[in-house]
Amino acid sequence: EAGVAQSPRYKIIEKRQSVAFWCNPISGHATLYWYQQILGQGPKLLIQFQNNGVVDDSQLPKDRFSAERLKGVDSTLKIQPAKLEDSAVYLCASSLGAHSTDTQYFGPGTRLTVL
Amino acid sequence: AQSVTQLGSHVSVSEGALVLLRCNYSSSVPPYLFWYVQYPNQGLQLLLKYTTGATLVKGINGFEAEFKKSETSFHLTKPSAHMSDAAEYFCAADYNFNKFYFGSGTKLNVKP
Repeated sequence: EAGVAQSPRYKIIEKRQSVAFWCNPISGHATLYWYQQILGQGPKLLIQFQNNGVVDDSQLPKDRFSAERLKGVDSTLKIQPAKLEDSAVYLCASSLGAHSTDTQYFGPGTRLTVL
Repeated sequence: AQSVTQLGSHVSVSEGALVLLRCNYSSSVPPYLFWYVQYPNQGLQLLLKYTTGATLVKGINGFEAEFKKSETSFHLTKPSAHMSDAAEYFCAADYNFNKFYFGSGTKLNVKP
């Protein structure tokens, strides 16, 4: 079974530029998550989708971050414009459902450096 | 506020020694609890989880964790460390509908 795929793996941009990350979850997984992991910290949930609907985006900085999952499968996370403090690893995870016993499977992440 | 605390950002043990990584949660209502491991340049991999039932949970790679409600703890242990255990370990709590709160992580170093 293929795991969660993310691209690109690394991205370097200058502040005020835009960037987009892509995630392909495990086939059949209805729930998809985006996390931000700043160096030295644990992952922080940015947004949770159930199929193509948003379940929780309370910690998403909506003035600059946006995410979509139009067909309930792949998802993109965009930052526009980027700030220095956005430098982090962006992790995508998926699970069969949103129940607490549904294991979250994580992708390898996209490491973003904002200069 | 709901949170997870991991004591010790770095832990170093000798190969063959006991591994003990500490995790405490903040809620009076026990959440579901998880331990994940992260190897360099890889995503997080689930080691074990506690939802309900037996408080001693066994996971992969010889790890286990015990849920102690009275101490609001979920410490991770392994009787004998192996070099391949060197990684970063994250404790997470699910307080509501698969919304995780992660601790800040503990890097485990295993000395030969």
